[in-house]
Order: sequence, then C-alpha cells, then structure tokens
Amino acid sequence: GAGVSQSPRYKVAKRGQDVALRCDPISGHVSLFWYQQALGQGPEFLTYFQNEAQLDKSGLPSDRFFAERPEGSVSTLKIQRTQQEDSAVYLCASRRLNTEAFFGQGTRLTVV
Amino acid sequence: AQKITQTQPGMFVQEKEAVTLDCTYDTSDQSYGLFWYKQPSSGEMIFLIYQGSYDEQNATEGRYSLNFQKARKSANLVISASQLGDSAMYFCAMRRGNTPLVFGKGTRLSVIA
Repeated sequence: GAGVSQSPRYKVAKRGQDVALRCDPISGHVSLFWYQQALGQGPEFLTYFQNEAQLDKSGLPSDRFFAERPEGSVSTLKIQRTQQEDSAVYLCASRRLNTEAFFGQGTRLTVV
Repeated sequence: AQKITQTQPGMFVQEKEAVTLDCTYDTSDQSYGLFWYKQPSSGEMIFLIYQGSYDEQNATEGRYSLNFQKARKSANLVISASQLGDSAMYFCAMRRGNTPLVFGKGTRLSVIA
C-alpha cells in the first residue's frame, strides 16, 4: 500500500492477556518508530528501528513491552500480561533518513 | 533534553478566518527540526509543515505557514482561511538529526460555520 498500515485497528484484551500489534511501513523507509498515545495526550516515544536494528528502546515503559523488526520491514510490538494502564492508541511511523515521518492510523488497545 | 509546550488546550475559529496555534520549544541543540501534525478523529497523524532551525525564511505550505522566531524558541502554526475540515487536534513536534520526534500535548481546533 501507499501508506503505513497498522493492524488490528482495534483490540480488546483481558487483563493478563498477551497482544501483538503489527506495523507495515512504507516500502523503502529505513526508520520505524512506535509511539503510545494516551487519551487527550500527545504521542510518547516507545522505540525506534533503523532497518532491523533497534537503536533506541528507552521509551518502553516496562519489560512487558517488546518490539522487533527482524527483516527491516514489518514490525511487531508485543505487550505481555497486559494491564489497564496499557490502554492507549499505539502509533507506528516510518520515514527515510532526515525526512518527515508518516504515521499509520494506529491501533486502539483497550484492556478490560 | 527536548521539550515542546502547547499552551492552548482548545481553540475556536470562525470559518474563513485565520487562526494561530502556539508552540514553544526548549532545546540546547543548534540544529533541529520543527514539525506540525494534524490528527483528525480518524486517528492518523498527518504531516503539515516543517521548519529547519537554520532556515532563514518561514515555511509555508498552502494555507499553512509557520511563524518561526528562533530567539524566542517559538514555532507557531498559522492556518489561513479556515475550513470546517480543519477541525482536529494539532501537534507541534521537534527532533534533532535522525532521532525520534518529541511531541507537545496538542491543541484541539474547532472551526465554526
């Protein structure tokens, strides 16, 4: 597709369940970013890949959060043992080096 | 550390009027980029405009212009001739080099017919 694609768009998880969120970046975009956006707030940085290398994961809130991009294209953000405070919109963005970032529509995660 | 401040939680503007959304930033870097994104209710972040710290002229993109005042560390977004479709959340963001964007808390713009 032409843009960044995220799936699923909506996910409801029971507390304690594991979830996996997928991001398909724009073809050829080297950099990929994950952000977490709580209701009424701006996006907060989680982690960043350049090709398959995870260059920065300082924003991951706990060791329950894990991200990978094994072939330098599609990325998966995994959250283990979900908790209510994990409820948020998870945004993925991609870009070429030193250009603007293009965002997907996000995955809205609700933990009940 | 970089920080973005947007002091207007919400703004109203009459259709066809101009509106300015405020953004101030804090950084010790000399080279950085400033961005504005629009987030409609659908959730996607849409890139609007970019200003580099060394750009001497204010950036413009159609009805969007960025009022860049480097000494005051402000990067206000001006939307001219507002349209109903401009109603959305607007986020100011910055980054240095190839690092991740740092966002402000956003301003909700409502355009009134």
